[in-house]
Amino acid sequence: GAVVSQHPSWVICKSGTSVKIECRSLDFQATTMFWYRQFPKQSLMLMATSNEGSKATYEQGVEKDKFLINHASLTLSTLTVTSAHPEDSSFYICSARGLHEQYFGPGTRLTVT
Amino acid sequence: AQTVTQSQPEMSVQEAETVTLSCTYDTSESDYYLFWYKQPPSRQMILVIRQEAYKQQNATENRFSVNFQKAAKSFSLKISDSQLGDAAMYFCAYRTAALSQNFVFGPGTRLSVLP
Repeated sequence: GAVVSQHPSWVICKSGTSVKIECRSLDFQATTMFWYRQFPKQSLMLMATSNEGSKATYEQGVEKDKFLINHASLTLSTLTVTSAHPEDSSFYICSARGLHEQYFGPGTRLTVT
Repeated sequence: AQTVTQSQPEMSVQEAETVTLSCTYDTSESDYYLFWYKQPPSRQMILVIRQEAYKQQNATENRFSVNFQKAAKSFSLKISDSQLGDAAMYFCAYRTAALSQNFVFGPGTRLSVLP
């Protein structure tokens, strides 16, 4: 089946620094990718929709200048958390849209100290 | 806006027994998809089963089956012969027929399987 990878799987960074998370579709092209955030014991909340070659669409309440999304190719989307703070600590999951279905990556755990 | 509700935050079932997880949703669309996803401790989202709204027949995948009641906007998941590996968070999700659209997830049900 289709595979979506995320890198890194976990990352610890200091407050004020930036961290980049990559989402790759390994065996299919994805014109659309979705970025979710999941707090402990909660559901997935959509942050933004990333379309290849165009600007991302952010959900209400998500700061686009803080969470930078780049969908530079049909197999890669990146989420950069800029000037990270402890409250940005969370589990970030991407999902890539294939021809007939959407597939989820394994997630990235971000801890900001 | 579409919403998905799961009224059972936690459920438990004895190994080899059957359990049903509830899900209701609200939409004005007539064509859509419904899903059940499993999220084990690894937190990888795993598709359990999916149902197209235009199909009256309930979807089945091995030990997993759904009871889809379109008029009532209900979509419950039945797990038969429960196994220890079934223990996980289960999310009910809705998506419109347009593939470009996002999932709307319910709050989840944590299922424990007792040996």
